[in-house]
Amino acid sequence: QEKVQQSPESLIVPEGAMSSLNCTFSNSASQSIWWYQQHPGKGPEALISIFSNGNKKEGRLTVYLNRASLHVSLHIRDSQPSDSAVYLCAVSMASGGNYKPTFGKGTSLVVHP
Amino acid sequence: AQTIHQWPVAEIKAVGSPLSLGCTIKGKSSPNLYWYWQATGGTLQQLFYSITVGQVESVVQLNLSASRPKDDQFILSTEKLLLSHSGFYLCAWSPGQGGIAETLYFGSGTRLTVL
Repeated sequence: QEKVQQSPESLIVPEGAMSSLNCTFSNSASQSIWWYQQHPGKGPEALISIFSNGNKKEGRLTVYLNRASLHVSLHIRDSQPSDSAVYLCAVSMASGGNYKPTFGKGTSLVVHP
Repeated sequence: AQTIHQWPVAEIKAVGSPLSLGCTIKGKSSPNLYWYWQATGGTLQQLFYSITVGQVESVVQLNLSASRPKDDQFILSTEKLLLSHSGFYLCAWSPGQGGIAETLYFGSGTRLTVL
């Protein structure tokens, strides 16, 4: 069964700084990695995905995937207080019916003004 | 645009009492539907999924049941609540197109406290 570990558990950064979040997974055959953002008392919201080795950039977000080391990272440039939330890494195989990603426990990000 | 509405926002219930939670998805026909549970400090755990009306598959046994009476509606229920049922319940949908780009769209959740 897929195992997903996220680090650090919590991260505090000043406004304007780069926030870097990490996720390792256990199954090298996993094909899809999504990052979700979850604000307190709300459901997670899909942020960015990556499917192949390398990096992907969307606005202030950059995600890096290294399949050889089973590692994916999310970097938030120019972090804002509104970015304060829990970030969840979700890893899955290609869906063919029940889409059942394995979620990590999350990284709690606090961006202070 | 698709919207997902989940109800109620929060519930405080006694052990042994019944429970019914629901969600409705608008703007998407024949979505895959899911119930997730998130214990405080825990990971998201899939409880049920449904690919079509009237068909629901159980993923984890937690003395809960689910039904999909309409294409756009998903219900989670139990006749007798346990203390261990406390947590955050999330309804979600996915397009059901398969492949690696599938993703989940979550509702706002229901906070359940069992006393």
